Amino acid sequence: GDSVTQTEGLVTLTKGLPVMLNCTYQTTYSPFLFWYVQHLNEAPKLLLKSSTDNKRTEHQGFYATLHKSSSSFHLQKSSVQLSDSALYFCALSAGGNNKLTFGQGTVLSVIP
Amino acid sequence: AQTIHQWPVAEIKAVGSPLSLGCTIKGKSSPNLYWYWQATGGTLQQLFYSITVGQVESVVQLNLSASRPKDDQFILSTEKLLLSHSGFYLCAWSGDWGGEQYFGPGTRLTVL
Repeated sequence: GDSVTQTEGLVTLTKGLPVMLNCTYQTTYSPFLFWYVQHLNEAPKLLLKSSTDNKRTEHQGFYATLHKSSSSFHLQKSSVQLSDSALYFCALSAGGNNKLTFGQGTVLSVIP
Repeated sequence: AQTIHQWPVAEIKAVGSPLSLGCTIKGKSSPNLYWYWQATGGTLQQLFYSITVGQVESVVQLNLSASRPKDDQFILSTEKLLLSHSGFYLCAWSGDWGGEQYFGPGTRLTVL
């Protein structure tokens, strides 16, 4: 079946530094990839989405590029802010079904 | 613009008692609707989805059931709560088959 792997459980960074959160996926179908951000005690919100190979997508200073050759969709930001502290999920939709498969999530903690 | 509401905001219930959680979406005709469960700090587990009134598909069995009595309403229920039912319940909608999903504010359930 489909799967999503996020290798980091917790990433702690000082404000102003760059960040990359890893996401790799497995599917036999053409994939749609998403990044969701969930702040404490809130619902997840869609941050980025892509189904186009090798095209960078950006939103709110975050960006990601879907690379089908390596089955990856890593999330990046050039300079993290305190308000970026949250739980980040990578998610996969594939095969035209109604299932969204989530990774385990990565907590990003930004310190002053 | 579409809005999604969930009720109640939070519940504290006893083991063995019944439960009913609701979700309503406004501003979107014939949405695909989903129920998710999330343990504290954990990933999102899809429980049910529905593409039309009266039709609900189960993704994982957790001694829960779901119904869609109206186009804009999705209900999650059980007759007998377990301790393991504690967590954050999220309703979501999508407009397209396999497209991005948008989450409601969630219901936090504590089972004692």
